[in-house]
Amino acid sequence: EVQLVESGGGLVQPGGSLRLSCAASGFTFSDFWMKWVRQTPEKGLEWVSNISEDGSQKYHVDSVMGRFTASRDNARNSLYLQMNSLRVEDTAVYYCAISSFHAITFWGQGTPVTVSS
Amino acid sequence: QSALTQPASVSGSPGQSITISCTGTSSDVGSYNLVSWYQQHSDKAPKLIIYEVTKRPSGVSNRFSGSKSDNTASLTISGLQAEDEADYFCYSFAGTSYVFGTGTKVTVL
Repeated sequence: EVQLVESGGGLVQPGGSLRLSCAASGFTFSDFWMKWVRQTPEKGLEWVSNISEDGSQKYHVDSVMGRFTASRDNARNSLYLQMNSLRVEDTAVYYCAISSFHAITFWGQGTPVTVSS
Repeated sequence: QSALTQPASVSGSPGQSITISCTGTSSDVGSYNLVSWYQQHSDKAPKLIIYEVTKRPSGVSNRFSGSKSDNTASLTISGLQAEDEADYFCYSFAGTSYVFGTGTKVTVL
């Protein structure tokens, strides 16, 4: 059974940092591009980043460029999102997801991030 | 990159068909046959129901179908059922990025 379990979310002050993790199981993690996607009730869904199977290619949405970095450890079947210089507008539920055919074939359950003083 | 435009809500009676539109630009929907659609029930993670404009993943009902014309993609739900009441989002490749739709709430009357 495919599983993606996110962790690391929580409350952080503006300007602070968080590192999200995603533990993958039930599929060959190293065969797939992975994504981070976030969602808020106000703004809906937003693609955040993509990372290639071996981690050599990374793409991020403009609004997080230079602040967020996706990475992965295929030996540990894990995906990460390092988030620095957090802003109030980064508040969202963050989903880890599997990418195939430029679609999102499976989503984790999400981890909430709240940026507030 | 601006969000793709979807109607905020669509409703229909059981057994009816409804169509949800997803309007983008020539930089995203219009340039690539890489539009996908997702169903999200309350407090659940989204689920893929259509990819590459028209394809259905294994296990997804054939009541769901997709199409595209120019810069607008569409999702049709045929034979509407109570369990189809959910939020629906489109999603498109846009070169080096991706963009989601604004989301549509489907209500089964």
